[in-house]
Amino acid sequence: DTGVSQDPRHKITKRGQNVTFRCDPISEHNRLYWYRQTLGQGPEFLTYFQNEAQLEKSRLLSDRFSAERPKGSFSTLEIQRTEQGDSAMYLCASSLASGSVVRQFFGPGTRLTVL
Amino acid sequence: GIQVEQSPPDLILQEGANSTLRCNFSDSVNNLQWFHQNPWGQLINLFYIPSGTKQNGRLSATTVATDRYSLLYISSSQTTDSGVYFCAVVMKTSYDKVIFGPGTSLSVIP
Repeated sequence: DTGVSQDPRHKITKRGQNVTFRCDPISEHNRLYWYRQTLGQGPEFLTYFQNEAQLEKSRLLSDRFSAERPKGSFSTLEIQRTEQGDSAMYLCASSLASGSVVRQFFGPGTRLTVL
Repeated sequence: GIQVEQSPPDLILQEGANSTLRCNFSDSVNNLQWFHQNPWGQLINLFYIPSGTKQNGRLSATTVATDRYSLLYISSSQTTDSGVYFCAVVMKTSYDKVIFGPGTSLSVIP
């Protein structure tokens, strides 16, 4: 168990540019989640995959955001035409759901700064 | 939607002191977790505790699901306990959407 990994750990970009983040979950975990955390707040749910299917999306996930999980393994989160308000920590988590048990393990996050 | 409240919002402790952090939630939940976010931003699972009491070293947690609250106890605090403690719940109507509370920011001073 190597834990959840995310890449890059930090990203600085100019407003209007596109960025893509990657998350590698714990290998046997079938569920993967993306969250966004701004300074002084708790993480906010963005979207969730079970295997390769994206089953739930938050209203926070505007049409500039897209997430994929091809083959049910790693996931990518892309933000197009970044805005300064997108600056935040983007967290990925994974879990192995068993019945109602959903215990999530988090990656270290990708900190995005939009100039 | 479900509301998750945590208290106190901020806490300063002298090293060695004990503390209790509280999480209240407004609806029935399927599960509840406590996390510690260290100064580098890493979220660490402390407890998965939808009900009952669990202990892990100097930390223990109790969830009373019927009264919709959970408590995290920290005994003999150490400077490494500093950080933000989050309560996170999954509603009974959704197995997958985790709702975080606003957190309690803890500073343990030597």
